[in-house]
Amino acid sequence: DIQMTQSPSSLSASVGDRVTITCRASQSISRYLNWYQQKPGKAPKLLIYAASSLQSGVPSRFSGSGSGTDFTLIISSLQPEDFATYYCQESYTTPRALTFGGGTKVEIK
Amino acid sequence: QVQLVESGGHVVQPGGSLTLSCAASGFIFSDYGIHWVRQAPGKGLEWVTFIETDGRQKDYADPVKGRFVISRDNSKNTLYLQMNSLRNDDTAVYYCVRRERASLSRTYYYFFDYWGQGTLVTVSS
Repeated sequence: DIQMTQSPSSLSASVGDRVTITCRASQSISRYLNWYQQKPGKAPKLLIYAASSLQSGVPSRFSGSGSGTDFTLIISSLQPEDFATYYCQESYTTPRALTFGGGTKVEIK
Repeated sequence: QVQLVESGGHVVQPGGSLTLSCAASGFIFSDYGIHWVRQAPGKGLEWVTFIETDGRQKDYADPVKGRFVISRDNSKNTLYLQMNSLRNDDTAVYYCVRRERASLSRTYYYFFDYWGQGTLVTVSS
């Protein structure tokens, strides 16, 4: 099974900061990587698919990059509504598994 | 608009059974593979099971294999998850999730584009 490791597990940042979250796969997954945002008590929301394609309606301050085993989610200028937990997910093993990373909690500094 | 509405979450004793339902609307249900994803209290997301459009292909995560059964009724636009031999560590919010795909450079990429609001299953004596 593919393992997905996110880092950091949590971070503190201020409004306006540039935030970088990384996700590493235990084997090459090409660009089969998705990112989700989850706020407390809510279902996750898709941000990015195929490593760098922005889902419709998602602000352009969110961007994704990477291929193979190493991927990055960047929030270019953190906004108050971006404080949440972010998860990466591999889709290399579709239709099964689609393993998630452990999550990165972005908190207010 | 696309909606997925889960129901059936309850408190159940260890070893008990429960069936969750997910009612879909706003899209052609039979065109989409559907997954269940769960989240234990304070924990991350865990993929549970999947069913293909026609119901013939299914897959399960190892922790639930042999205990959970996924099914769908395309005539009723409804997905089911039958959960047997429940354990304390099955306690979680269970989400019904639609799998979408996109074609980029002649390659298909899959992702979860719509999620239900979740239903809480608590396994406790």
